[in-house]
Amino acid sequence: DQQVKQNSPSLSVQEGRISILNCDYTNSMFDYFLWYKKYPAEGPTFLISISSIKDKNEDGRFTVFLNKSAKHLSLHIVPSQPGDSAVYFCAAVDNAGNNRKLIWGLGTSLAVNP
Amino acid sequence: DVKVTQSSRYLVKRTGEKVFLECVQDMDHENMFWYRQDPGLGLRLIYFSYDVKMKEKGDIPEGYSVSREKKERFSLILESASTNQTSMYLCALSANSNQPQHFGDGTRLSIL
Repeated sequence: DQQVKQNSPSLSVQEGRISILNCDYTNSMFDYFLWYKKYPAEGPTFLISISSIKDKNEDGRFTVFLNKSAKHLSLHIVPSQPGDSAVYFCAAVDNAGNNRKLIWGLGTSLAVNP
Repeated sequence: DVKVTQSSRYLVKRTGEKVFLECVQDMDHENMFWYRQDPGLGLRLIYFSYDVKMKEKGDIPEGYSVSREKKERFSLILESASTNQTSMYLCALSANSNQPQHFGDGTRLSIL
C-alpha cells in the first residue's frame, strides 16, 4: 500500500504560470519530506525539503507547503519555465527503526508549455 | 558538488549471466543505496548500506546482492540475470540519515 501518494500522474502548465504538485501521505511518523526532479536518462536531483516542525520552506521559485493535519504537502513553482518540465517525486523519511529510509511517491510528470 | 559515479550508462546482458553494477563516490558519505526505477512504479529500494561491510535489505532484494568492501564503492550484483530485471538502476548516497540523498545518472540495464 502506497504510504506516499502523488495522485496526479501528469500536469500541464503554461510558461510563466504557477505549477502546483501535490503529495499525500498516510504515516504520521514521517517527519521530513523532500522533492526531487528527474529528467529522462538522468538520476533524480534534490530540489527542496521541509521538516515536520515547519509549514513552509522557500527556495527561489520553489516553495513547499506542509499541512500536517491533512497529511498533505505541495510544491509550488512560480513562475514555471520550460526547463522545469520533468518528473517530480515526493519522498518522506520514515523514522521508525534504526535506519531512516525514504518512502517515495510514484511521481508527477510536469510539462511546461512555451 | 556531490559526485556519484555509476560505471555504465547502458548495459546489455543475457539471461543467466552474473551482472555487476558499480557505484563510486568521492564524498566519504556513510550511506549508500541501490534503487530501480520502472514506469508506473516509481523508485524501489533494493539494498542499502550505512557502513563498510554493512548491508540492509530494501523493499525488493530478491535476486540481488550487494558488496561494500570499501567506503567509496557500493556494488549491486545480479546473481543470475532474468528478463524481469531489465530496468533503470540508480545509486544514491547521503552523508547521514538526515541529509538528502544524491543520485548518480543511472544504468539502463537490458537483460535479453
